[in-house]
Amino acid sequence: KAGVTQTPRYLIKTRGQQVTLSCSPISGHRSVSWYQQTPGQGLQFLFEYFSETQRNKGNFPGRFSGRQFSNSRSEMNVSTLELGDSALYLCASRLVAGLAGNTETQYFGPGTRLLVL
Amino acid sequence: GIQVEQSPPDLILQEGANSTLRCNFSDSVNNLQWFHQNPWGQLINLFYIPSGTKQNGRLSATTVATERYSLLYISSSQTTDSGVYFCAVSTIYNQGGKLIFGQGTELSVKP
Repeated sequence: KAGVTQTPRYLIKTRGQQVTLSCSPISGHRSVSWYQQTPGQGLQFLFEYFSETQRNKGNFPGRFSGRQFSNSRSEMNVSTLELGDSALYLCASRLVAGLAGNTETQYFGPGTRLLVL
Repeated sequence: GIQVEQSPPDLILQEGANSTLRCNFSDSVNNLQWFHQNPWGQLINLFYIPSGTKQNGRLSATTVATERYSLLYISSSQTTDSGVYFCAVSTIYNQGGKLIFGQGTELSVKP
C-alpha cells in the first residue's frame, strides 16, 4: 500500500496570506490527524478528523482549521499567516477499526515545510 | 495533561556502539510509539509498544507500563541511525488519535 502523502512538500508565503495543505491517508484508513513541529515547541497536535468530523482539537487559535472529505483525504487551512506559523506540518493516518479507540499505530506523511516571510 | 520526558537529549556514538534511549511518562498510557525522524523530517514508525518487549533487527524496545517508562535499544549502531528519536503516547483520557510527543533524543553516529 502507498503511504501517507502530503502536498505540497515546501511552501513559502508572506504574512497575512492564507495557505491550504493536503493530506491523503493510507488506503482504508479513516482518521487523519495533523501536527505542527517547530524547534521551540516540538511536535504539537493540531486536530483529528474522522468520518468528515473534527474529533479532537489541540490548543491552537481559530486561524487553524481543517476538513475531511468522504474519501478520507484531509486539508488543513491557516488564515492570516504569522511568522510564528513557519513550521513542518505533519499529518498522520490510522485505521480506526471498530472500538479500538486510540490504541492503534499512527503512520506519518513526509510533511509540508511552510516558511512565512 | 500527561508529561513525556526523553533522555538523554543528545547522544554521540561511534559506529558499532550500543545505546539506550529512555522515555518517562507521567500517567497511564494505552498507546506508546517510538519514531525515528529522518533528515528530511519524516517520522518513521519503529515500534507500537504500550507494554511488553519487541525486537526488530538491531532495534528493540521495552515498555514497563506500571512504572511508566519505555526504553529503546539500538545495537551495533550505524551512521544511518542518526537523527531524532521520539516517543509519543496517548492516554485513556484522550479522545481519538491525539499523540503527546516527548522532546526527542538527537542521535549522531560517527563513522
